[in-house]
Amino acid sequence: DAGVTQSPTHLIKTRGQQVTLRCSPKSGHDTVSWYQQALGQGPQFIFQYYEEEERQRGNFPDRFSGHQFPNYSSELNVNALLLGDSALYLCASSLGYGNQPQHFGDGTRLSIL
Amino acid sequence: EDKVVQSPLSLVVHEGDTVTLNCSYEVTNFRSLLWYKQEKKAPTFLFMLTSSGIEKKSGRLSSILDKKELFSILNITATQTGDSAVYLCAVEYSSGNTPLVFGKGTRLSVIA
Repeated sequence: DAGVTQSPTHLIKTRGQQVTLRCSPKSGHDTVSWYQQALGQGPQFIFQYYEEEERQRGNFPDRFSGHQFPNYSSELNVNALLLGDSALYLCASSLGYGNQPQHFGDGTRLSIL
Repeated sequence: EDKVVQSPLSLVVHEGDTVTLNCSYEVTNFRSLLWYKQEKKAPTFLFMLTSSGIEKKSGRLSSILDKKELFSILNITATQTGDSAVYLCAVEYSSGNTPLVFGKGTRLSVIA
């Protein structure tokens, strides 16, 4: 039973660049959420996708955007990268919109130089 | 103001000790409280609590929710070095724009 998988594992970018992170949900799950986890902090919610639409959004600027595909996989895009975007980006999936628990992937460690 | 507050932020214990981790939260539109363990990467799900006073147990770990006093505790008995991790508490609110609000976590270090 495949869990949540994310790619890439690590990424190094420079300020101003754009990045795309990818997530495949746990088998059978249809809802995907993205979180940003800064060092020493808990994960902060970015947005959630269900039925290929963004359903909820946290307090993140429009530079953060996403997409969900018909197979439930998802992408997180960040434009105009800032130093403060350096963090672990976690993807979580769940079965059904609004249901818990969410199951997390190992994350993508993004470093901005 | 933080909606979910965990304490202590870090803790060092010896193998065999019993530890209690705390999580307090705001009452407005509470739906459930979840505990996760984060070692190096993925937070792994431990417990989900919705009802007050009902203990959930898994091996040496247990957790309980107090909806009157607005807190939860996570107990770990007979700690082992493999319990070393960050323990995250998250609260699901039925309104608002975020499905889960996380605390900052408690970093537990178990030394032999």
